[in-house]
Formats: sequence, C-alpha cells, structure tokens
Amino acid sequence: DTGVSQDPRHKITKRGQNVTFRCDPISEHNRLYWYRQTLGQGPEFLTYFQNEAQLEKSRLLSDRFSAERPKGSFSTLEIQRTEQGDSAMYLCASSLDRTSGATPTGELFFGEGSRLTVL
Amino acid sequence: KQEVTQIPAALSVPEGENLVLNCSFTDSAIYNLQWFRQDPGKGLTSLLLIQSSQREQTSGRLNASLDKSSGRSTLYIAASQPGDSATYLCAVREDSGNTPLVFGKGTRLSVIA
Repeated sequence: DTGVSQDPRHKITKRGQNVTFRCDPISEHNRLYWYRQTLGQGPEFLTYFQNEAQLEKSRLLSDRFSAERPKGSFSTLEIQRTEQGDSAMYLCASSLDRTSGATPTGELFFGEGSRLTVL
Repeated sequence: KQEVTQIPAALSVPEGENLVLNCSFTDSAIYNLQWFRQDPGKGLTSLLLIQSSQREQTSGRLNASLDKSSGRSTLYIAASQPGDSATYLCAVREDSGNTPLVFGKGTRLSVIA
C-alpha cells in the first residue's frame, strides 16, 4: 500500500491520559499535515511540516498537543492530559509541493484517520 | 481569513439524476481548489484538483469548474448512482501555496435507488 497510513485507527482512553498517533505519508511527499474533524464539520487544520520543519501551527493546537516529524518521514501527534473535547477524528495528509523532480501539484492525499474517544 | 461555504448541506436525489454541488470562498486569491469525497467514518478521498490557472477538471462522471473572480466552484455529477452517496468536501489553498487547505463543512449526498 503506497497511500498515507495512520495508526491506530481507533483509540479509546480515559480523561487525563496521554495518547499518540502516528502517520506515515506517501514516501516521496515532502509536506505532512494534521487535521481534526468532529461530527458534521469539515476538517480543521492543526499543523503541518515541510520535511522535518514544523512550518505552521493553528491556534487550535493548545500546549497539550505536540507534533513531530523527526526525520522528515513519519510524524507523531501526541495529546497530553486528554479532555472529552479532544474526542474527534485526527486526519493526516501529505503532498508534494514546490520541489524538483516530478511536477508538484500540491494535491493532498489523506489517510483513513485515527478516531479518538475520551471517556 | 478565508472561509469556504458549501450549499446545500444535504441533498437527496433519485438514481440517474444529474446534480450540482456548490462551493464558495471569500478570498479569490487561491493557489488551488480540491474536491474530496468522505464516506462515514472514513478518511478523505481526493476527487479533483483544480489549479488557479485552470477553469475545470474532469474525471469520469465528475466535472469540477472554478471561477476565481466570483469565488465559486461547482462539482457536477452525471448519472448519479447509489454508490455516489457520501459527503463531498471542497477545500481551497491560498495564493502563496504555503498555507494549508481550508475546508467547507461539506454536502451530504444521498442517491436513492
């Protein structure tokens, strides 16, 4: 499978626990994005990386949230001290942007998401 | 701040009908616009990408148009099928290309057999 993969697909946790999600992008893609989606809403941007550099963070990303992309490949999103309001689908996407080689289109490709339920 | 609106929020049509989904955005200085499909509980599947210099893109029974000056895009689905039932999301990336996609809330489509 050469698409974006996310793990775990589902996570149920108790309030106050820490959780971590992993995203493996399409291998040649240089940009990686995290979004959050709640029921009936469109995805909301959280943060994105170009290679290993975190270029932008949304105001939605409180200090309990941290994301890394240490080697410019896979990324992790950690939520500390989870709250019930963190319950959502966490979506990862990747794209090939503004680089040499194949013509970049900036098209985003999403994974299947990681659904978090905080009890 | 870019805002994306999709109308209608929900749509139910009989099988075989042609239909149009609408998307509008407040800032016309966009880099590209992308249409996605999302099935319940699943991730997003990219349907069509329109670069800012393009007017339309086609894939099979789908045709997306872009009118930057009026801040609008439409997704046309021909000869709808029950398998087309899903939520359709429109998203735009602003002019520099160095900003993330901004999404609308989607149109939930039901195609009745």
